[in-house]
Amino acid sequence: KAGVTQTPRYLIKTRGQQVTLSCSPISGHRSVSWYQQTPGQGLQFLFEYFSETQRNKGNFPGRFSGRQFSNSRSEMNVSTLELGDSALYLCASSLTTGRMSTEAFFGQGTRLTVV
Amino acid sequence: AQSVAQPEDQVNVAEGNPLTVKCTYSVSGNPYLFWYVQYPNRGLQFLLKYITGDNLVKGSYGFEAEFNKSQTSFHLKKPSALVSDSALYFCAVREDRTNAGKSTFGDGTTLTVKP
Repeated sequence: KAGVTQTPRYLIKTRGQQVTLSCSPISGHRSVSWYQQTPGQGLQFLFEYFSETQRNKGNFPGRFSGRQFSNSRSEMNVSTLELGDSALYLCASSLTTGRMSTEAFFGQGTRLTVV
Repeated sequence: AQSVAQPEDQVNVAEGNPLTVKCTYSVSGNPYLFWYVQYPNRGLQFLLKYITGDNLVKGSYGFEAEFNKSQTSFHLKKPSALVSDSALYFCAVREDRTNAGKSTFGDGTTLTVKP
């Protein structure tokens, strides 16, 4: 069974540009969460999508947005990039039944560098 | 509100010695607890979880964790550390069992195992 796939693995962008990151969850997983990881701030929750709806949202500015498609693949977009957006962006999927959500399965991450 | 704390930024142990990585949590209801490990430039890998049942949980790579309700702790342990266990460890908690996006992660503990 394929794991969580994030593309691309590495990105270099210029300040002011925008970027789109992609995440394909494990087959059958409808919950997809996004995290930003930086050395100083640790693992920060961005948002979670479930069945194409944003179910939870972290404390990030509106420049950070996401969406989920009917096949559960998710994208996150960052507009007007700032130097501080340089980070490892992690996507995680989980299987949710009526009674329980499993642990999160993480992708390898996308390393975004803003110059 | 839920929270999780990893009181040690860094843990150093000698190879062959037992290791403990500490985690304490705070929730209103029943906790669902998780440990993850992260190697450099990689995503998080699931190690083990406590949902209900036995307080001693066994996981991957010889790791185990003990759930202690009275001390609100979920410390990660291994009887004999390996150099290859050197990595960043995250504890996570949630109290909503159907919503993975409501997990809170600790700041992480860097484990270094010296030969």
